[in-house]
Amino acid sequence: NAGVTQTPKFQVLKTGQSMTLQCAQDMNHNSMYWYRQDPGMGLRLIYYSASEGTTDKGEVPNGYNVSRLNKREFSLRLESAAPSQTSVYFCASRPGEPQNTQYFGPGTRLTVL
Amino acid sequence: AQSVTQLGSHVSVSEGALVLLRCNYSSSVPPYLFWYVQYPNQGLQLLLKYTTGATLVKGINGFEAEFKKSETSFHLTKPSAHMSDAAEYFCAVTQRSGANNLFFGTGTRLTVIP
Repeated sequence: NAGVTQTPKFQVLKTGQSMTLQCAQDMNHNSMYWYRQDPGMGLRLIYYSASEGTTDKGEVPNGYNVSRLNKREFSLRLESAAPSQTSVYFCASRPGEPQNTQYFGPGTRLTVL
Repeated sequence: AQSVTQLGSHVSVSEGALVLLRCNYSSSVPPYLFWYVQYPNQGLQLLLKYTTGATLVKGINGFEAEFKKSETSFHLTKPSAHMSDAAEYFCAVTQRSGANNLFFGTGTRLTVIP
């Protein structure tokens, strides 16, 4: 039982390049989330998927798109990376009501030059 | 709207001393409350949570927190700090229904001095 896995662990992009961050969970959880973590700002929600087939914007969605490929996988895409998107990205999953605990992956450290 | 305030971005304690990390929340209704810990270059790990029932909740590694509705607080404590407690700690809240999105505080970095 690997929990929540994320790939890649590190990535360096040039401004304007695109990439997809992958997230998968093997806990049969219904809900999945993408956060970004920046120094002094805590974690902020980018997008979430309350259940398979649905996605919704969080607090900071601009510049990102997501896909809930199936119940296990939730990807985050940067179409045209900008230096402001340099951050650590965390994926999380939650079983669903009434379980309210989110379980986090190890993170992807992204640098945009 | 929900928000979380963590007082003190950095806290230093001596090994064996009391650890107190402060968290206050703002919410129109009492939310669910969480403390997560993040060790260097790792993801977030749940320390403890409050949902309903007893307001003093115990978590892993000897930590506990008390929900005080009148003070809108959920401070994290540990009687005796250990070197291995050095990490960043995040307080978070979520609403009791719906998407359960977590709202995080800005974090408190705990340093333990030998």
